[in-house]
Amino acid sequence: GAGVSQSPSNKVTEKGKDVELRCDPISGHTALYWYRQSLGQGLEFLIYFQGNSAPDKSGLPSDRFSAERTGGSVSTLTIQRTQQEDSAVYLCASSVHRGSEQYFGPGTRLTVT
Amino acid sequence: AQTVTQSQPEMSVQEAETVTLSCTYDTSESDYYLFWYKQPPSRQMILVIRQEAYKQQNATENRFSVNFQKAAKSFSLKISDSQLGDAAMYFCAYTGTASKLTFGTGTRLQVTL
Repeated sequence: GAGVSQSPSNKVTEKGKDVELRCDPISGHTALYWYRQSLGQGLEFLIYFQGNSAPDKSGLPSDRFSAERTGGSVSTLTIQRTQQEDSAVYLCASSVHRGSEQYFGPGTRLTVT
Repeated sequence: AQTVTQSQPEMSVQEAETVTLSCTYDTSESDYYLFWYKQPPSRQMILVIRQEAYKQQNATENRFSVNFQKAAKSFSLKISDSQLGDAAMYFCAYTGTASKLTFGTGTRLQVTL
């Protein structure tokens, strides 16, 4: 079946602009995660959605970052007023439930100039 | 907080030989899961193997196996009969009650002829 998909694959934006990154999880997966991968910080957790529960936002680095998950499926990660330190690969993953393996999308490479 | 340590930034193995990648972790939780993920240059994170902490038996997946030492908090990955396609970054990861994955810094594996 179809895996996790993310769009766009690459995004170049100017400092100060807002960006939206999209994630389409595997059908039937109730859990959805966003991670960030950068050279300096490695792989970092950003936010976690589980069904209709309130999301775990403990990894969001600042209030410029937000995410939503509509209808328990597609998720959008929004970064407002982008900064150069936001440049990274943003990875989305989904899983059937907690503790089960997470399946990752191909990521979105964000470059802030 | 949980931590995951991979002390080998780079490893090299000859084709058809066996290599072991090391991982240690720190946690006070009793119920958790450990994973090895592979990330080739395409940046797609691919699940290699999964281990439940409550299982004493080491997980195996074809040429991949783990040595899980719960008391020592060690979780190494053994790759047998190495192939050129095994060349990638390998990440050890932990998940517990918080559901998010905590990753190590990764080990870059080179496979030589």
